Amino acid sequence: DQQVKQNSPSLSVQEGRISILNCDYTNSMFDYFLWYKKYPAEGPTFLISISSIKDKNEDGRFTVFLNKSAKHLSLHIVPSQPGDSAVYFCAASAYMTNAGKSTFGDGTTLTVKP
Amino acid sequence: NAGVTQTPKFQVLKTGQSMTLQCAQDMNHEYMSWYRQDPGMGLRLIHYSVGAGITDQGEVPNGYNVSRSTTEDFPLRLLSAAPSQTSVYFCASSYSRSDTQYFGPGTRLTVL
Repeated sequence: DQQVKQNSPSLSVQEGRISILNCDYTNSMFDYFLWYKKYPAEGPTFLISISSIKDKNEDGRFTVFLNKSAKHLSLHIVPSQPGDSAVYFCAASAYMTNAGKSTFGDGTTLTVKP
Repeated sequence: NAGVTQTPKFQVLKTGQSMTLQCAQDMNHEYMSWYRQDPGMGLRLIHYSVGAGITDQGEVPNGYNVSRSTTEDFPLRLLSAAPSQTSVYFCASSYSRSDTQYFGPGTRLTVL
């Protein structure tokens, strides 16, 4: 059973608009969540994270929201830029075990059109 | 810092061959992991290490061996390659268990 799900394989938005990427999880032990961005032929790079003690974390154009009761998190990118076009992975871990042992979703391919 | 480096970038094997994927990091990170990414899927954890001499299995360990004799290096060995092991392999490291992971550029492996 997949513990981290990204139900939208792809998302297309216009430059300057908001991009919202969603992620759901099933394991209630997860308490640390991360978003990674991946360009073709490169390894994933860290984007933003959130601990379960928070419900929001902001870093420039990127904001992650966490709804623990719904086991749902979302990544908002405002405003979206063509350079944001990439695959975005949601990952989750249980801090008390090992944050280096993350469970990843299947990714959402974001395309930002000029 | 070179970060996390992986060699080779590409590799083609025949079924039954063995090989070692190399991974090195120069950031003095204790935690290192190996993932595989199949088309249209996320990264699945193969093996990980919390320090030199300590390794453990991840989600999909069968057919792979690892060892961690130094902090810097974490090689992944394919014992007898199978077509099901065709994938892109990523190595990652982090300073601590609460830290984010830094990924290498990946090794694209094809097993015929």
